[in-house]
Amino acid sequence: AQSVAQPEDQVNVAEGNPLTVKCTYSVSGNPYLFWYVQYPNRGLQFLLKYITGDNLVKGSYGFEAEFNKSQTSFHLKKPSALVSDSALYFCAVRVTGGFKTIFGAGTRLFVKA
Amino acid sequence: DTAVSQTPKYLVTQMGNDKSIKCEQNLGHDTMYWYKQDSKKFLKIMFSYNNKELIINETVPNRFSPKSPDKAHLNLHINSLELGDSAVYFCASSQDTLPTGYTFGSGTRLTVV
Repeated sequence: AQSVAQPEDQVNVAEGNPLTVKCTYSVSGNPYLFWYVQYPNRGLQFLLKYITGDNLVKGSYGFEAEFNKSQTSFHLKKPSALVSDSALYFCAVRVTGGFKTIFGAGTRLFVKA
Repeated sequence: DTAVSQTPKYLVTQMGNDKSIKCEQNLGHDTMYWYKQDSKKFLKIMFSYNNKELIINETVPNRFSPKSPDKAHLNLHINSLELGDSAVYFCASSQDTLPTGYTFGSGTRLTVV
């Protein structure tokens, strides 16, 4: 069965420090992997995706994510956090050729000034 | 020029009523989705239509019925509303021939009293 795990409910980081939001997945085929961000009372916004190729993908707002096939992980990273990055982050996975995208439970990121 | 628009944004109704939520996308996408986000922010897919054909129909009560009159519209009708139906409902779209991310609407907050 297809699943996504975000092991941390919340991540706290000081402004200017690097941040990592963790994601691991389980699929039976080749995955497409995504990160989305949700600000309060808003819909989800697409940040970045991994389809194939370079394991390090870059996305919006300075975020990047690293695909690690052996560890089945797709952690979201940013070298220097901003207070405005504080939001709810969702990892998602879709199997190649499938229609369904499964979302993780979300990780709330707090960036303190 | 909103890409995915949902109406209404807020819906407060009494138990037992029937209500509809409408969704329209102007991105030319061929696939549309309904997701339910509960109070713990967990996202669960409900339905998906590809070119007006139902392709995903998760374990959802029969009281929920989607309708897609054309590729640009996906509506959700809910009969006999229950307290447990209170949630935020998100519409999303994607071009399913491409492994792209979803574009989400801003959500409809349904409160059943």
